[in-house]
Amino acid sequence: QKEVEQNSGPLSVPEGAIASLNCTYSDRVSQSFFWYRQYSGKSPELIMSIYSNGDKEDGRFTAQLNKASQYVSLLIRDSQPSDSATYLCAVNMDNQGGKLIFGQGTELSVKP
Amino acid sequence: KAGVTQTPRYLIKTRGQQVTLSCSPISGHRSVSWYQQTPGQGLQFLFEYFSETQRNKGNFPGRFSGRQFSNSRSEMNVSTLELGDSALYLCASSLDPGNEKLFFGSGTQLSVL
Repeated sequence: QKEVEQNSGPLSVPEGAIASLNCTYSDRVSQSFFWYRQYSGKSPELIMSIYSNGDKEDGRFTAQLNKASQYVSLLIRDSQPSDSATYLCAVNMDNQGGKLIFGQGTELSVKP
Repeated sequence: KAGVTQTPRYLIKTRGQQVTLSCSPISGHRSVSWYQQTPGQGLQFLFEYFSETQRNKGNFPGRFSGRQFSNSRSEMNVSTLELGDSALYLCASSLDPGNEKLFFGSGTQLSVL
């Protein structure tokens, strides 16, 4: 069983809609969760981090964490074509600094 | 402030050769991690260095090694290259080992023929 799982997509949403990206993880003791965005041919870029249960909002992005269900999600409101990218969920298991476990990524396509 | 710099950007090698990749972290960042990215396996952790010491290691064979210098710059080496080593190798830096927010370089695309 993979440690961090994401729907591979592609996920296609119309411009202006809400995009919902989901991620589950296997290690119940994980404490830190991250969302990275990776444009085609580019390196991953950190867009959100979340450590506590509940929601964390940053502009059009909202990260949601439910540790009991071992589930973390990313909502993108008012999706724009420039949001089209692969979104990677990452989990710091064992609280080991720079050792992040990444999901396979969900490809998002926002259609004008 | 300059970002994470990786050199070279592209490399083509043949099976059996060895290769060395270089990474300069963001100024002031002291922790460097290395990741391998392939279409099939995604992003996989290789190792992490801080204060010239390896702190963590992923599940890769001993052919993969690395080191960090006193100025925090890091190198990784792959010996006896195999076709399956073809991948994008990404370096990421953070302020220190306790800081999990990683900043990635543009990567080195390695092709093994």
